[in-house]
Amino acid sequence: KQEVTQIPAALSVPEGENLVLNCSFTDSAIYNLQWFRQDPGKGLTSLLLIQSSQREQTSGRLNASLDKSSGRSTLYIAASQPGDSATYLCAALYNFNKFYFGSGTKLNVKP
Amino acid sequence: NAGVTQTPKFQVLKTGQSMTLQCAQDMNHEYMSWYRQDPGMGLRLIHYSVGAGITDQGEVPNGYNVSRSTTEDFPLRLLSAAPSQTSVYFCASRWGAGDGKETEAFFGQGTRLTVV
Repeated sequence: KQEVTQIPAALSVPEGENLVLNCSFTDSAIYNLQWFRQDPGKGLTSLLLIQSSQREQTSGRLNASLDKSSGRSTLYIAASQPGDSATYLCAALYNFNKFYFGSGTKLNVKP
Repeated sequence: NAGVTQTPKFQVLKTGQSMTLQCAQDMNHEYMSWYRQDPGMGLRLIHYSVGAGITDQGEVPNGYNVSRSTTEDFPLRLLSAAPSQTSVYFCASRWGAGDGKETEAFFGQGTRLTVV
């Protein structure tokens, strides 16, 4: 059974810090891995998508890496800002249309 | 483009009532799916579709039905609502590239359902 785990469940940092969010998955036969942001009471906004053949993707201050062999992905946020406060979810895509989600990391960036 | 549109945004049902959650996308995506999000449990797949006329079950399908008569629409039906179905429901869609470059998924804004 595919399982996705995110550590830590919550994180509080002062503004300006660089931080790393972790995602691990038990089955390495993924098609891709996608990172999302979710604001309270809102839907999911896609941040980065890494194909199974890729090692990393970058968008602005965000960098996501993927290591299929170890079943891990990390999301690196540089120079964090209060506007980055949200819940971050990772999701591993398996065959057909099956995403398996982690429970999320709730990030609070203090001014 | 509107992207993925879900209606209604909020709904309160009584136990035993039935209803349909609507999901529509205007991106001509082949793949659509329904998830529920419960506190502390992340999102779990209910049903999915890889094209018009083709649907299959996900992790938690009991109590829900789906159909896909058009590419654009993928409604989720609650047959007889139970308090355990109180949750936030999300619909998603994406292209199914099939060439090793699976595309990103787009999500709707969600439907908050309370069953009393």
